[in-house]
Amino acid sequence: SAVISQKPSRDICQRGTSLTIQCQVDSQVTMMFWYRQQPGQSLTLIATANQGSEATYESGFVIDKFPISRPNLTFSTLTVSNMSPEDSSIYLCSGFGGLGYGYTFGSGTRLTVV
Amino acid sequence: AQKITQTQPGMFVQEKEAVTLDCTYDTSDQSYGLFWYKQPSSGEMIFLIYQGSYDEQNATEGRYSLNFQKARKSANLVISASQLGDSAMYFCAMREGSPNNNDMRFGAGTRLTVKP
Repeated sequence: SAVISQKPSRDICQRGTSLTIQCQVDSQVTMMFWYRQQPGQSLTLIATANQGSEATYESGFVIDKFPISRPNLTFSTLTVSNMSPEDSSIYLCSGFGGLGYGYTFGSGTRLTVV
Repeated sequence: AQKITQTQPGMFVQEKEAVTLDCTYDTSDQSYGLFWYKQPSSGEMIFLIYQGSYDEQNATEGRYSLNFQKARKSANLVISASQLGDSAMYFCAMREGSPNNNDMRFGAGTRLTVKP
């Protein structure tokens, strides 16, 4: 299965600033997703990252707050904009290759907003 | 509506014993996939096992097996011979069958603690 490198692994940011998280896949995947995991909670899907077009956002998530890019099949970024302490979470990217059954996850970005 | 339900927030098991983590799901699709992931304290998501809705046999991967009861819409994870390293959060997830819908939805998770 694909291996996903995600960075940064953690960051502490000031409120009002933005952070961009990157995910690089070592092989082509048909679909990439971004999830948020708030402290002590499960994973919630933010959006599907579409190659070369706007991401598809889930209810409760908007492009102005979480802009996503996917310029090719192996790379995607998520930006958390104008951060507040409520954005403190783990953010994970995931890839689905269409082959096999397991979705691969990046190692996660642990974000703390102060 | 909640599509994946894990009713056990926490479970304890003695080392070397077996444990069952419960998962029920809700879907009207005929084709779907069920997954179990392990999340240790480091935060990474580790894929454990997969069950397709058309698979006739229960999936097994080493010490992990999935007790799939389609009529009851349950997909319980069984861990045999528990080890201390099995202590982690465990998430059940589902992918529904639409070709344009490949994202996974997760349950709330179960925190498993293995006691020595």
